[in-house]
Amino acid sequence: GIQVEQSPPDLILQEGANSTLRCNFSDSVNNLQWFHQNPWGQLINLFYIPSGTKQNGRLSATTVATERYSLLYISSSQTTDSGVYFCAPIEFSGYALNFGKGTSLLVTP
Amino acid sequence: GAGVSQSPSNKVTEKGKDVELRCDPISGHTALYWYRQRLGQGLEFLIYFQGNSAPDKSGLPSDRFSAERTGESVSTLTIQRTQQEDSAVYLCASSLEAPPLNTIYFGEGSWLTVV
Repeated sequence: GIQVEQSPPDLILQEGANSTLRCNFSDSVNNLQWFHQNPWGQLINLFYIPSGTKQNGRLSATTVATERYSLLYISSSQTTDSGVYFCAPIEFSGYALNFGKGTSLLVTP
Repeated sequence: GAGVSQSPSNKVTEKGKDVELRCDPISGHTALYWYRQRLGQGLEFLIYFQGNSAPDKSGLPSDRFSAERTGESVSTLTIQRTQQEDSAVYLCASSLEAPPLNTIYFGEGSWLTVV
């Protein structure tokens, strides 16, 4: 199956800082989603982004499908951004999201 | 419903007992997925349904795990003779179709603790 690697595994930011999270995957994809899992375990959809660029407030994401990577940008980080960020693609022959190990983000005041 | 609904939200059970976890997908969603997440780990795919058919059950960790779905609505994940290693959050998700060419939505999970 498709391999998903996320980096960095852990990240500590001071409030107000910007960051870029990266997701590399090993196969062509027809679906890719970014999720934020908050400290209470809830998975929150951030982006459905199999290709191209999208923005939602302080967050934006870019997927370059031909080069098999996706980036999540967080600008002006806030303490409520803390949690784990997961990238989850689906390969063309697949039907279910494949999750990476996530990036654990802590934003300090 | 408005979102994916799961019950119970929390379950503590004794080793060796059977448990049933329920998932109500978003109304109109034909595809339904079950995942497991152990503490501090990523999400592990278990099974998916297209309608009430489960084309691939290879993600189920052992024959103690089974799942069924009634039509295009409720699904039940059953774990027989629970073991301590079954302790995890069990997450259900749904999408309009499979393979999903749009967003997959997750419920809040059922936290299972086997003591």
